[in-house]
Amino acid sequence: SQELEQSPQSLIVQEGKNLTINCTSSKTLYGLYWYKQKYGEGLIFLMMLQKGGEEKSHEKITAKLDEKKQQSSLHITASQPSHAGIYLCGAGQTGANNLFFGTGTRLTVIP
Amino acid sequence: GAVVSQHPSRVICKSGTSVKIECRSLDFQATTMFWYRQFPKQSLMLMATSNEGSKATYEQGVEKDKFLINHASLTLSTLTVTSAHPEDSSFYICSAKRGAYNEQFFGPGTRLTVL
Repeated sequence: SQELEQSPQSLIVQEGKNLTINCTSSKTLYGLYWYKQKYGEGLIFLMMLQKGGEEKSHEKITAKLDEKKQQSSLHITASQPSHAGIYLCGAGQTGANNLFFGTGTRLTVIP
Repeated sequence: GAVVSQHPSRVICKSGTSVKIECRSLDFQATTMFWYRQFPKQSLMLMATSNEGSKATYEQGVEKDKFLINHASLTLSTLTVTSAHPEDSSFYICSAKRGAYNEQFFGPGTRLTVL
């Protein structure tokens, strides 16, 4: 089965600082998804990456997928308290519909 | 577009009772829905894949007789936790896959507490 490891597990940053969250797979990724979750709530879809080397941005969040499609990074520029939450990467498996999720990164942004 | 709702958002029940959780895709048809479970401070674990009009596919270690899944229409899947016990207390989240797209859209989750 697919295993996804996220780092760091938790992150505390001062408002305005940049940060990066990493997601590493033991296997080639067929679709990499980034979600944000506030504790005890549902997941909010952020971005999906499918091609090696792909990069997408939305507002202050940029996600990249490396050429080998085994590692993805999520970068937040000039973080704000509204960015706080749990960030999860999820990956699809070829031949299957479901997603496997990483261990999650808990982000705290201090005003 | 692509909104998924869950009902109820929170339920408290006595041990031994059954609880039904509904997952609805509000503005699209979902041939496939997924049920996940999340323990505090842990990631989501897939429980089962629900396909409209057919039996659900359960992940290893998930008891199909305890977690009954019904996907009777293209917009509704239900998860029934039968004879619930305190160890079933968890946060249950559903997601729906929209047609040929790969994105999954998640519901807001249901927090189940079994006393």
